[in-house]
Amino acid sequence: DADVTQTPRNRITKTGKRIMLECSQTKGHDRMYWYRQDPGLGLRLIYYSFDVKDINKGEISDGYSVSRQAQAKFSLSLESAIPNQTALYFCATSDFLNDIQYFGAGTRLSVL
Amino acid sequence: AQSVSQHNHHVILSEAASLELGCNYSYGGTVNLFWYVQYPGQHLQLLLKYFSGDPLVKGIKGFEAEFIKSKFSFNLRKPSVQWSDTAEYFCAVKDTDKLIFGTGTRLQVFP
Repeated sequence: DADVTQTPRNRITKTGKRIMLECSQTKGHDRMYWYRQDPGLGLRLIYYSFDVKDINKGEISDGYSVSRQAQAKFSLSLESAIPNQTALYFCATSDFLNDIQYFGAGTRLSVL
Repeated sequence: AQSVSQHNHHVILSEAASLELGCNYSYGGTVNLFWYVQYPGQHLQLLLKYFSGDPLVKGIKGFEAEFIKSKFSFNLRKPSVQWSDTAEYFCAVKDTDKLIFGTGTRLQVFP
């Protein structure tokens, strides 16, 4: 079983729809992250959380929101999806002892 | 804030050729540096890391990287690539409490 699980793996939605991407982890890490990956732009940080009560904006948080429901769960929401949010989204975790991040398999989102 | 530059966007090699991928970060001091690899259709996984000590670090699958403080560089190397090394490679640097990733280098290895 994967240590970092993302659901769904693929999603097609329409402009204006609300969508939630979910991430859960069994690594026992406190820190969780959401990134988007676009061709030629690498990975860009959307939001990150160091514990249940801690939420921080990343480089590109506009148009996104997050919820840290528990230590193991961190969800990303697009309140009103737009086509330029079409991308591959990754969740990652790390612990406070080192900075190594462990990634989920990704969610490929298409907004039509 | 830190930034990371990967100058090679797309590299094409034949099997057994040597590989060097460039990575530069923007400013010095104490740095934690990483190379991640993303094989086709898969998630990112750690290839190697540098926190301190010997500036030549060895990772999985025969990869190594050299931290050169004076050049703000952390280049990835492999003496002889294989077809299975076809992937995208990302350099990353720790900035305060998060990682900053480069734009990635796509490596294609042909038999």
